[in-house]
Amino acid sequence: QQQVKQSPQSLIVQKGGISIINCAYENTAFDYFPWYQQFPGKGPALLIAIRPDVSEKKEGRFTISFNKSAKQFSLHIMDSQPGDSATYFCAASQTNTGNQFYFGTGTSLTVIP
Amino acid sequence: ETGVTQTPRHLVMGMTNKKSLKCEQHLGHNAMYWYKQSAKKPLELMFVYSLEERVENNSVPSRFSPECPNSSHLFLHLHTLQPEDSALYLCASSLWTSASEQYFGPGTRLTVT
Repeated sequence: QQQVKQSPQSLIVQKGGISIINCAYENTAFDYFPWYQQFPGKGPALLIAIRPDVSEKKEGRFTISFNKSAKQFSLHIMDSQPGDSATYFCAASQTNTGNQFYFGTGTSLTVIP
Repeated sequence: ETGVTQTPRHLVMGMTNKKSLKCEQHLGHNAMYWYKQSAKKPLELMFVYSLEERVENNSVPSRFSPECPNSSHLFLHLHTLQPEDSALYLCASSLWTSASEQYFGPGTRLTVT
C-alpha cells in the first residue's frame, strides 16, 4: 500500500503562473512533511517542510498548505520560473520511530517561458 | 568536498559482475541511508545505518550488501544483479535517524546488462 500519493505526474505551467502539486497520506501518525526538488543528474534537495501544527508555511515563492483532517498537503509555487523546472517529491515521516521517509512518485514540472 | 558525495556516478555491469558503490558525507552526521530510485516509482528505502550499526533493512535481496565502516562512509556491494536492478541509487545522511532533514548525494546511475 502506497503511504503517500502524489499528483499530477507531470505539470506544464507558463512562466509567472502558479504551480500546484498535491499529496495525500494514510498514516495519521506522520508528523513531518517535506518537499524535495530534484534536478536532472542531482539528488533530491529539501525545498520546504511543514509539521501538522500549522496549516501553511511560506518560504519565498514556495508555500505548503496542510489539511490535517483531509490528510492532504500541497506545494504551491508562485510566479513560476523556467529555473523551477524539476521533479518535485513530497514525503512524510514519523520522526519518533526512526524517521523512515515515505515518498510520493514525483511530479515533473516544466515552466515554459 | 562538501555535503554528500557518491562514486561512481555511472556504472554499467553485467549480471555476473561484482561492484561496489561508495558514499561519503562531510556533514558530521551519524545516520546514513541507501535509497533506490526507479522511474515513476517512489523512492525506496533500502538500508539505514546509525553510528555504523544497521537499523533498517527493508526486505532487500541479498545480492545487495551494505557496509558502513564509520559514520562518514557507506558502501553498497553488488553481485549477481538482475536487469530490474537498474536504477539510480541514492545515498543520504542525517544528523540522527530521528532528525528531520536528510541530505542526498547525486546518486549512482546503475545499468545492469
